[in-house]
Order: sequence, then structure tokens, then C-alpha cells
Amino acid sequence: NAGVTQTPKFQVLKTGQSMTLQCAQDMNHEYMSWYRQDPGMGLRLIHYSVGAGITDQGEVPNGYNVSRSTTEDFPLRLLSAAPSQTSVYFCASSYGHRREQYFGPGTRLTVT
Amino acid sequence: GESVGLHLPTLSVQEGDNSIINCAYSNSASDYFIWYKQESGKGPQFIIDIRSNMDKRQGQRVTVLLNKTVKHLSLQIAATQPGDSAVYFCAEKSGGSYIPTFGRGTSLIVHP
Repeated sequence: NAGVTQTPKFQVLKTGQSMTLQCAQDMNHEYMSWYRQDPGMGLRLIHYSVGAGITDQGEVPNGYNVSRSTTEDFPLRLLSAAPSQTSVYFCASSYGHRREQYFGPGTRLTVT
Repeated sequence: GESVGLHLPTLSVQEGDNSIINCAYSNSASDYFIWYKQESGKGPQFIIDIRSNMDKRQGQRVTVLLNKTVKHLSLQIAATQPGDSAVYFCAEKSGGSYIPTFGRGTSLIVHP
């Protein structure tokens, strides 16, 4: 199993550009989520999904969109990048809501 | 490397000592708690979890203690090694939510 994979590892965007962060898991997990991590602030939940076709907002959803067309993939779209979105983004998946999450290696995004 | 440890509480110990990392949680309805370890430049990695019907759970060199009365969680690491140096996060999940909420984290530094 590859576990949770994320691409790209690094990305630099200009303000106003859009892009998609990719996340995939091969463990047949129903639950998937996106977090951002900023220095000294832990992980903050952006969006999550409890199964294909079902998504919901987390703590900091503004400026981001998600979709879940398959169990394996959960892409995160930045609609119009802003410097405040400079962060490290982690995708995670789990078997269920009372099970541990498996995290991807992260995407470091810089918006100039 | 990552700057996730910036401005985080820090615990410094000598190799071979026992380490105790504390976490205060906020939601009295939380019923599932998890500890994660995050090494520099990597995603968080599951260490151990505990459900609210338990007070203590042991793993390999780690013990988690849960005190629901004062809403406190601790992670004990026995015979701490330099490889244990990392940021440690606690996460809590309430019965009404699907995804855990993370604390800010504690940076553990182990001196050889």
C-alpha cells in the first residue's frame, strides 16, 4: 500500500491564480479530510468527506473547494490564491470517525 | 526543515529520561482521543488512542492517561530516545462530529 499520497510536494503561486492539490489513498477509507498547518497553530480542518459524493466544511473553508467523486481521491481546489493561504497542507484518511487518521506527506504552498 | 515547532510549548529532556506531554481538551462530550507525532518535514503519524470509557492505555514505550474530570490527557514516553524528538499533537473527537480537532502541539527535544 502507498497509503496517502499528495502532489505536488511544493508549489509557488501568484496572487489570484488557481490550482488543485491532489490527494489519493489506496486503503479504501471512507473518511478523508484536508488540513492546513501554520507555525504555532496546529492543524486546522478545511474540508472533509465521509464518503464518495459527500463533503462538508471544516473550521477554515473559505477560499477552498473540494469534491469526492471516488473513494480514493479527494482534491482540494484553491479558487483564487491569496498570501494568507501560504501554508503546509495535509490530507488524511481513516476507516471511520473513531479510528486514527493516516496523513500524507504534505504540500508546501507559497502564495506571493 | 518545517517551522511547525515555532512558538510551541517545548519540553527538553535527556536521553533515557521519561517524558510526559500534557494536553488539556475543551469539550466534555469528546469520546475519542488520539496522540500523533510529527517529525520535521513529515505528516503526523499515529502513536496511540484512547476511548472515553478508559482511563489508561499502554503501547510500546508509550502510555496515554485520560482524566475526564479535569479534561486532561497525557502521553508518557518511557526511556526517551533522540528519535523521539518531534512535535506531539493531541486530538479529540466528540460523539457528534466526524473529524477530530487538534491541539497546538508540544515540541519534544531529546538531548543525547
